[in-house]
Amino acid sequence: DIQMTQSPSSLSASVGHRVTITCRASQSIGRSLNWYQQKPGKAPKLLIYAASSLQSGVPSRFSGSGSGTDFTLTISSLQPEDFATYCCQQSYSVPFTFGPGTKVDIK
Amino acid sequence: QVTLRESGPVLVKPTETLTLTCTVSGFSLTNPRLGVSWLRQPPGKALEWLAHLFSNDEKSYRASLKSRLTISKDTSKSQVVLIMTNMDPEDTATYYCARTTYGSGNYDFDYWGQGTLVTVSS
Repeated sequence: DIQMTQSPSSLSASVGHRVTITCRASQSIGRSLNWYQQKPGKAPKLLIYAASSLQSGVPSRFSGSGSGTDFTLTISSLQPEDFATYCCQQSYSVPFTFGPGTKVDIK
Repeated sequence: QVTLRESGPVLVKPTETLTLTCTVSGFSLTNPRLGVSWLRQPPGKALEWLAHLFSNDEKSYRASLKSRLTISKDTSKSQVVLIMTNMDPEDTATYYCARTTYGSGNYDFDYWGQGTLVTVSS
């Protein structure tokens, strides 16, 4: 199985600040990488697919980059509704696997 | 609009069989680029993909659970069913179904059900 790791595991940030979350795959996965946002008690929400494509309806302050083994999710200006947990997911090979998540909370 | 809804028991006993149904609307189970996946999330833990099913009847299972899982669909009812046998307390989790979209070598889960918490306990 391809292992996904994320850093940091949690971070505190203020509204308006730029946030960057990193995801690393245990082997090269091309650009088969998706990012999700999850709030407590809710289902995940797709933000970015294929490493850098913005899902319809997702604000443009979210962006993704990377290929191979290293990927980044950036929130350019953190908004109150962005406080949540973010996780990456590889779809290069089954079983599709998720990172452990990065919790973003209010500083 | 696209919706998915999971249904099934909230409590099962160890060794019993779990049957979960995902009823979908707003898209067709016959679309070749669309499928349905089942995933789960134990309390406080990461998401785990279990299985998926596409319109051409392509099925894929998590290898570590393959002997216990069966995924199937009833297109006329717009339903995808997951059967998991020999349930164990470690299978306690919120189970989700999600629409799965395939494009340019990437599979993503673009719409999700609300999830159903299944507890395994005697």
